[in-house]
Amino acid sequence: GENVEQHPSTLSVQEGDSAVIKCTYSDSASNYFPWYKQELGKGPQLIIDIRSNVGEKKDQRIAVTLNKTAKHFSLHITETQPEDSAVYFCAEADYGQNFVFGPGTRLSVLP
Amino acid sequence: GAVVSQHPSRVICKSGTSVKIECRSLDFQATTMFWYRQFPKQSLMLMATSNEGSKATYEQGVEKDKFLINHASLTLSTLTVTSAHPEDSSFYICSARDRLAKETQYFGPGTRLLVL
Repeated sequence: GENVEQHPSTLSVQEGDSAVIKCTYSDSASNYFPWYKQELGKGPQLIIDIRSNVGEKKDQRIAVTLNKTAKHFSLHITETQPEDSAVYFCAEADYGQNFVFGPGTRLSVLP
Repeated sequence: GAVVSQHPSRVICKSGTSVKIECRSLDFQATTMFWYRQFPKQSLMLMATSNEGSKATYEQGVEKDKFLINHASLTLSTLTVTSAHPEDSSFYICSARDRLAKETQYFGPGTRLLVL
């Protein structure tokens, strides 16, 4: 079945440094790849997404890159701040299908 | 835009009682809503997909008679946990897919259920 791997499971960075989280997927038909940020006790919040016809997308300090050939996509956060500390989930979906989520990455930004 | 609300945010109930959780899309129409369950330090587990005006589709292993889902309008879906037991204690999160935004799902803030 469909599977999404996510690495690392935990990540600690110093404030101001960059953080990179990588996900790999198995379904070659996947064409939509969102990233969600979940703070403790809250629901996931969509922070960026990318579709398969695009290789990279950027929104201020956040960027996502997609390599369809290798079936992996990555979240890049630059100039990290303490408020970036949260659990980040990647997901993949084929058009109209349900999401398959990765297991999550706990990011800690140390002041 | 794209705000999803859930009510209540947390609920404590006695074993054997039923609990209803509401999920609303506040500023968009959602033809499809999803219900997830999340255990501590784990990822989201899809329980069921609910389409407006039709029966919900449940994932394998999820009891449809225990987790009743009603999607009565384009902005409201409800999840009722019937005859709740302590093992049903969890964080329940809904999401809604914007009718106009294809695949994108927007999540509610979640409901913490504790069954004593």
